[in-house]
Amino acid sequence: GQQVMQIPQYQHVQEGEDFTTYCNSSTTLSNIQWYKQRPGGHPVFLIQLVKSGEVKKQKRLTFQFGEAKKNSSLHITATQTTDVGTYFCAGIYAGGGNKLTFGTGTQLKVEL
Amino acid sequence: GAVVSQHPSWVICKSGTSVKIECRSLDFQATTMFWYRQFPKQSLMLMATSNEGSKATYEQGVEKDKFLINHASLTLSTLTVTSAHPEDSSFYICSARDFVRGSTEAFFGQGTRLTVV
Repeated sequence: GQQVMQIPQYQHVQEGEDFTTYCNSSTTLSNIQWYKQRPGGHPVFLIQLVKSGEVKKQKRLTFQFGEAKKNSSLHITATQTTDVGTYFCAGIYAGGGNKLTFGTGTQLKVEL
Repeated sequence: GAVVSQHPSWVICKSGTSVKIECRSLDFQATTMFWYRQFPKQSLMLMATSNEGSKATYEQGVEKDKFLINHASLTLSTLTVTSAHPEDSSFYICSARDFVRGSTEAFFGQGTRLTVV
């Protein structure tokens, strides 16, 4: 079946440092979404990427979708303590019936 | 944005009993809802897709007789964990999308932390 892997699994950074998480699918995706889950909370939608090579920005967050639509990345510039949480990519596959396949997640910790 | 409400947020039950979890879409109609299970520090694993007015579609390896899903209205889906055992202890979370408005964003309930003792 389809698998979506993310690296790294964990990342500790000092406040102000940049952070990147990478997402890789075993097969081509129709589109990819990113979610953030705070400790003890539920996933919250961040963004959706649909087009090959698409890049979207939200303030300090930059999202990219690979040319082959099999990988994606999330980059946070100058992290803040409010960025703490686990970031998940979630892919939708063609013919997958709108099901989201979640990546393994990257847990981000930001230290002062 | 759309709101999905899940209840209860946590529950402790004795081994062998059944637990029902409710998932409601508060301001949109959800013909389809999704149920996930999440173990500590792990990803969300899709258990089943709940379809209004028809049978749920279960993912491979998920026992449909163990995890009963009912989606009797456009705003409510329920997951019943039958004859719960300690290994069923987990974080269960539902999601829904407002397909009527063409939204692909998934809105998640607050989740239910189930502890079976």
